[in-house]
Order: sequence, then structure tokens, then C-alpha cells
Amino acid sequence: ETGVTQTPRHLVMGMTNKKSLKCEQHLGHNAMYWYKQSAKKPLELMFVYNFKEQTENNSVPSRFSPECPNSSHLFLHLHTLQPEDSALYLCASSQMSTGANVLTFGAGSRLTVL
Amino acid sequence: DAKTTQPTSMDCAEGRAANLPCNHSTISGNEYVYWYRQIHSQGPQYIIHGLKNNETNEMASLIITEDRKSSTLILPHATLRDTAVYYCIVRVIQGAQKLVFGQGTRLTINP
Repeated sequence: ETGVTQTPRHLVMGMTNKKSLKCEQHLGHNAMYWYKQSAKKPLELMFVYNFKEQTENNSVPSRFSPECPNSSHLFLHLHTLQPEDSALYLCASSQMSTGANVLTFGAGSRLTVL
Repeated sequence: DAKTTQPTSMDCAEGRAANLPCNHSTISGNEYVYWYRQIHSQGPQYIIHGLKNNETNEMASLIITEDRKSSTLILPHATLRDTAVYYCIVRVIQGAQKLVFGQGTRLTINP
């Protein structure tokens, strides 16, 4: 596996379900990110993790709970979501403090909340 | 972070050069210009970045004006696979890259 891998690619859940999105990066990066992309809207930054520590929470509702057990893995735990939370959730990673510090994105997890 | 302004959409013929403009008149001295693109329903992909000199890589060229208030991304020989939304972002290079994506330019390459 190379790059940033997100699973599942598609998820359908009810409003009372609990599910998790998983992201794994194989690039040796030290920062990881969650972005949300709703239909016809720009990407919105949700969370930033730097060396496993959360450094940014962009006013995200508590029904979204991130977890970063190590610098290669990032989870987004979902519970009691609303239909308006249906979106493409994108994970990214970057290597800070060196070179271009560009973000590498995964293919995304498309979430539908019924 | 400095705000950027891009045209909403552009068309280009296959095989021709696609020139995508971006205005960033409030850019600070330590902010770089980054370009990403997003092909439909995929994650964004990094293209190129620069500070004040023109840059070229295997994907594109970046031309930054001398006053750094605007830039142009050039795809020299556009193909159908270059159809995507192109984002121009200005950001310092240090620290976590909390990129702020705008609406971008929807580039359509026509056969």
C-alpha cells in the first residue's frame, strides 16, 4: 500500500448508528487531517493532528470524534449523525518542517446519513 | 491566510495550453502560492507551489508576477484527464498545512 488509504469508501448509516472512518498513511508523515466536502461546497477543515496531538478543531460538532493512536493512523468516529452530515470525508497527511510540506489526500469516504 | 480569487469556470481545447489565473493581492511576504486540483469525487492532488520565482515540474508551470499579487498555472498540453477543479491557495510553508480551499476554477478540457 502506498499513499493515503481511506476505508470504507462508501458508508450508509442511520441517524442512531455508530460507525468509524479509518485513514492510514504510508508516507512517514507527521501530520494528519480530516476535511469534509459537502455537495457543491468547498472543502472544510475539521481536525488537524500533529505528532498524534490534536492541534486544530474547527468548531466541529461533538457527534464527530477523531482519534489518532499513532502518526500513521487516523479515525473519525461517528454517532447520532444528521442527514446534513452526508458528505465526502477526506483524510490527508503532510510532513511538516521539511521541503514543500504538501498535503497528500486519500480518495475519501462518501458518507450517506439516512 | 491571504484570500484568493479565481474564475469560476474555464474551457480549453485538448492539446492546447490551459492558463488558469489566480489573484492574491493581499499575499504576505512569507506566503507561498500552492495549486491543487480535484478530479470528480476524488481527493485533491498537489500540483505545484512557489514563492516568487517561476516554477516548473512534470505536471505544470507556475508563473508568479513580480509584485506577487497574482499567478498563473499553465498546463502546457491539456488532456481530457486534466478536467478538474483547480484550487489556488496561499499559505506559509511552515507548520500544519491548514489549507483553506475556495470554490476553485472548474476547468473543462474539450475534445
